[in-house]
Formats: sequence, structure tokens, C-alpha cells
Amino acid sequence: EVQLVQSGAEVKKPGESLRISCKGSGYSFTNHWIAWVRQKAGKGLEWMGMTYPGYSDTRTSPSFQGQVIISVDRSISTAYLQWTSLKASDTAMYYCGRLSDGSGPLDYWGQGTLVTVSS
Amino acid sequence: DFQMTQSPSSLSASVGDRVTITCRASQSIGTYLNWYQQKPGKAPKLLIYAASSLQSGVPSRFSGSGSGTDFTLTISSLQPEDFATYYCQKTYSSPYSFGQGTKLEIK
Repeated sequence: EVQLVQSGAEVKKPGESLRISCKGSGYSFTNHWIAWVRQKAGKGLEWMGMTYPGYSDTRTSPSFQGQVIISVDRSISTAYLQWTSLKASDTAMYYCGRLSDGSGPLDYWGQGTLVTVSS
Repeated sequence: DFQMTQSPSSLSASVGDRVTITCRASQSIGTYLNWYQQKPGKAPKLLIYAASSLQSGVPSRFSGSGSGTDFTLTISSLQPEDFATYYCQKTYSSPYSFGQGTKLEIK
């Protein structure tokens, strides 16, 4: 069974750093892109970027370039989304998802990680 | 920059109604268009991929059509469990952006 399991909810202060994770199982992790999607409360889905574990290629949306770091550790089948200095505006639910293929849909999703940034 | 525009942004309908949601791309994307359903507090669920292919396990009352810049998601006979928010997404040329969503509510 394909599963993406994300790390738990986080509460952070502005300026702090954070890394959340997404662990894949039940499939060949290195053969599928993993994407990150942001959803602010009551708002729509925003594509942040994606990474390919097979050769660690990463493509970050221009809207998020310089704001987040997307990475992967294929040895433990885990993708990461990282901030070096959080802002209150980063408060959101973050989902990871598996692309069926390079230009395919997100066919499996993680359960989401809620990040709250507040002083 | 690509824009994906959904209409309407919200829709009220009754059980048994036929409903159509539209998604328009600012440039041609062939059939690189997917549809998702999201219920409150849950991750999105893939319904339709490549514009018209039904994802495994999704009821046949859902269908998709279109190519180029104009796409539609149709629900042939609304069921109570279909009241949710629907998103289109392009997967032609990164970033693979989403439409703004269509909230389907009970009339």
C-alpha cells in the first residue's frame, strides 16, 4: 500500500527555523517526484515545488523561490520542506504528494502538517 | 506566467442535479489537466487526470473533458458525499499550479 506519512504539527516563533518531513512507503521512492502544496486556512491549494529522489532534482515555484528549501534523503525515503526564518505568513497546512509520473497528477497525498507561526 | 481560472467560485445545487465546473488555462496545456476533490480537514483526492481519465475507485458519475485551454468537470447526479471543494491543476510546465477552487454547497 502506497503511503506518505508527514511529520506532526509544529508551533514556532517568527524568525525560527523548521524542517518538516514526508516519508514514502509501499512503492519505489526513487521513481516518483514528491511535491509540496501549501493551504492557508480557508484558502486554496498553492503549488510550492517538487523534488525527484532518483537524482535529487528540485524545482521550486517562483512564488516560493528563496522562501523555502525542498530536499530529499532517498536513503530513508523522506522528502523535506525547510524554512530558515519563519514568518507569521507561513502559518498554513502543508501537504506532500506523489506525482504518478513527471507530468502526472498527485495520486497519493500525505495527511498534512499544520505549521503555526506566532509570537 | 500561466493562470488557471475556475468558474464558478461557488455553486449551490441539490442531490440529483447535474453540475459542471469549468477551468480555463491562460495558455494551451494540451490535456495536462487534473481535477481534485477536497473535503474539510482532509487532503485532496484525485478524481480525473489527463483531462478525461477517471482515477481508479472514483465513481463514474464524475467525468472530465476538454483540451487546450478549456476544461470541464461534470458530476452527472450529485450525491450527498459530493459536496466539497473542487480544484483543477495543470501539469504542463512547472510550476504545476492549481485553480482557485469551486465550493459546491447544498441548496
